[in-house]
Order: sequence, then structure tokens, then C-alpha cells
Amino acid sequence: GAVVSQHPSRVICKSGTSVKIECRSLDFQATTMFWYRQFPKQSLMLMATSNEGSKATYEQGVEKDKFLINHASLTLSTLTVTSAHPEDSSFYICSAATTGGYGYTFGSGTRLTVV
Amino acid sequence: DQQVKQNSPSLSVQEGRISILNCDYTNSMFDYFLWYKKYPAEGPTFLISISSIKDKNEDGRFTVFLNKSAKHLSLHIVPSQPGDSAVYFCAAKRLNTGTASKLTFGTGTRLQVTL
Repeated sequence: GAVVSQHPSRVICKSGTSVKIECRSLDFQATTMFWYRQFPKQSLMLMATSNEGSKATYEQGVEKDKFLINHASLTLSTLTVTSAHPEDSSFYICSAATTGGYGYTFGSGTRLTVV
Repeated sequence: DQQVKQNSPSLSVQEGRISILNCDYTNSMFDYFLWYKKYPAEGPTFLISISSIKDKNEDGRFTVFLNKSAKHLSLHIVPSQPGDSAVYFCAAKRLNTGTASKLTFGTGTRLQVTL
């Protein structure tokens, strides 16, 4: 079945630095990639939607200059958290749409801790 | 504005019995619904889905019921097994929006299946 590989699984960074999270679709072409954030014991909140070759669409309240999304190819999408702060510490998950938009395959998530 | 709600944050069920997880939504434009199972520090795993043209979909131990007039869906797991212990999210989306449409997730229900 469809697999999305997400790296790193966990990262600790210093406040003010940038962190890049990668999601690769291993055996299919991901035209659309979604990026979510989940705080402890809360729901998955959609941050942005990216379509290959075009600019990402950000949800209301998500700073596009802080959370840079690149979807330059059909198999790779990246999320860069710029100038990270402790409040950015969270669990970030990517998801690729499959099978005509009916199915979604999720990455395994990245636990970001900003110290 | 939480468009998809799971009012029970937790549920405990004895092994072998039926687990019933509930989900309510407010957006009448949603016409496709999905259930996901999630372990800590992992991405969600797809369980079962249902289109708004149906009122029931069954797959093995999992059955999803949809009541459109009440804007309510439920996931039945029978018989429940200890391995079913996880957080369950319902999600909703709109079909036929031209591109892969985003999922709106519920708040999650933590299911614990006891021996």
C-alpha cells in the first residue's frame, strides 16, 4: 500500500534556529500534501495544504513566513519551522492524498521540542 | 469553531464486548467520513470510511453508521480486543471540490480495552 516516510521522527533544537521536516511518498505520486500539528491530547489541526509546483495554502492563524512549505516534486514535501520558539514544540504530521482524494496516507510524525 | 466533535474523551470497554465511539458534525457540506486509529507519537492509521449516500459500512470487526439528519456517526468495534486500545479520531471532508480536499478531524476518543 501507499507509504509516506517522514523524517526526522523527533528533533530537539535551540530557540531561534530552524528545523526542516521531510515527507516522502515512497510508492506513489503525492499531488497534494497536508501538514498537521497536534498538541498533547488535542486534535490534529491542519496547518496548510500544498500542491506540487504551487504555493501552499495556509489555514487561518498559521504564519506562512514561519512555517515554510515546499512541494517541489511529486514525491517530496518539506516543512521548515523558522526561528523556532518553545511554543512551536508540537507533533507535526504530514499526509498525502491518494486514490483520487478519497484516501489519505499519513507519515509517522515528527516530535519537535524547542529548548 | 470545532466542526467535528467527539464528546467522549475516553471510553473503557471490556475485552470481547462492543465499543461504540461517537462523532457529531455541524457542517452539512461534509459528505465523506473517515475513522482513524492513532497511537502516541505515530501517524493516524485509516480504519473505515463512509459516504453520505450510505448509512452503514462494515469491514470485519468495524462498522460505521451515519445518521445524516442528526449529523452523527458512530464506529462500532465488536468484539473489542486489547490491541484496539488507542485514540480514535473521526474526520470529515467534502468531496468533489476539484482537488484532494482537506480533512477536518474530531477531538479524539481514547479507547481502553481491558481484560
